[in-house]
Amino acid sequence: TQLLEQSPQFLSIQEGENLTVYCNSSSVFSSLQWYRQEPGEGPVLLVTVVTGGEVKKLKRLTFQFGDARKDSSLHITAAQPGDTGLYLCAGGDSNYQLIWGAGTKLIIKP
Amino acid sequence: EAGVAQSPRYKIIEKRQSVAFWCNPISGHATLYWYQQILGQGPKLLIQFQNNGVVDDSQLPKDRFSAERLKGVDSTLKIQPAKLEDSAVYLCASSLSTPGTGTYEQYFGPGTRLTVT
Repeated sequence: TQLLEQSPQFLSIQEGENLTVYCNSSSVFSSLQWYRQEPGEGPVLLVTVVTGGEVKKLKRLTFQFGDARKDSSLHITAAQPGDTGLYLCAGGDSNYQLIWGAGTKLIIKP
Repeated sequence: EAGVAQSPRYKIIEKRQSVAFWCNPISGHATLYWYQQILGQGPKLLIQFQNNGVVDDSQLPKDRFSAERLKGVDSTLKIQPAKLEDSAVYLCASSLSTPGTGTYEQYFGPGTRLTVT
């Protein structure tokens, strides 16, 4: 059974600080996606990484896929209150399904 | 491009009653998913359709849950009878799922928050 473990489960920091969220597995994934979900809404896709070692940047967010395609990280620089939300990682399997992590609840305090 | 539409947004029912949720995916998306999400957790896949056929319903509690996707477009998810533990957000997602691309980007609707009392 493929599993994705996210850490930390919960993170509350001050505006302007940096943070990193991790997504780890013992399984290899063909792709890894990061979503952000705000209260009362569905998850919104932030990025997809497909190549081992790949790094993608989205403004202050940096996403990295591990060389072995088993893990990924999300780094936020100078966090802002608008970054508050539930961050979910999901790995793609061979049946067009996503294996989901449990999520990291992030709160950025002004 | 219109997103995934879901209705209703909120529903409150008593246990043992029935409820139905509706989803209209993004036009042209062949794959449709229904998820159950407990507050603060990741989504749990209930059923996956490819066009109007079921690909995976292994985690669907078939004694009380049913789903259909007529004509390969809209879909409905039904719970009958509902239990207290069915209280959750029910998310619908769709995907192009283009063979060979290796990416399975899913686009979600806003969800239906179900409360069973």
